[in-house]
Amino acid sequence: NAGVTQTPKFQVLKTGQSMTLQCAQDMNHEYMSWYRQDPGMGLRLIHYSVGAGITDQGEVPNGYNVSRSTTEDFPLRLLSAAPSQTSVYFCASGIAGERDEQFFGPGTRLTVL
Amino acid sequence: GENVEQHPSTLSVQEGDSAVIKCTYSDSASNYFPWYKQELGKGPQLIIDIRSNVGEKKDQRIAVTLNKTAKHFSLHITETQPEDSAVYFCAASNPTGRRALTFGSGTRLQVQP
Repeated sequence: NAGVTQTPKFQVLKTGQSMTLQCAQDMNHEYMSWYRQDPGMGLRLIHYSVGAGITDQGEVPNGYNVSRSTTEDFPLRLLSAAPSQTSVYFCASGIAGERDEQFFGPGTRLTVL
Repeated sequence: GENVEQHPSTLSVQEGDSAVIKCTYSDSASNYFPWYKQELGKGPQLIIDIRSNVGEKKDQRIAVTLNKTAKHFSLHITETQPEDSAVYFCAASNPTGRRALTFGSGTRLQVQP
């Protein structure tokens, strides 16, 4: 199993550009989520999904969209990038239900100029 | 919503000494408390977790304790080694809500050889 994979590893955008961060998992996990990590602030939840076709907002959803058309994939879209979205983005997956373990991908470092 | 406070923000110990990191949480409905280790340039990796029906859990040199009444939990690392140097995050999860993890702000542990 590859676990949770994320692409790209690094990305530089100009203000106003759009892009999609890719996340995929091969563990057949129902639950997937996106976090952003900023210095001194831990990780904050952007969006999450409890299964294909179901998504919901997290703590900091503004400026981001998600969709979940398959169990495996959970892309994160930046609609119009802003410097405040400069961060490291992590995707995670887990099993919905009694087990709460979540497994994280290696991250995407995004810089918005 | 849930709020997780983590202390200290940095911790330096000599190799072989013990390290203790403490977290408090605010939502009494939270019942799952994982600890993650994050090495430079990598995603967080689960090292140990505890559920609210258990007071203590141990895995080799790592142990976690939970005091539900006081709403705090701690990570204990004994016989520290240089490879334990990393950033450690505590988190809390409420299974009746988003099942998302609310993270503490992290502790940078440095083990001096």
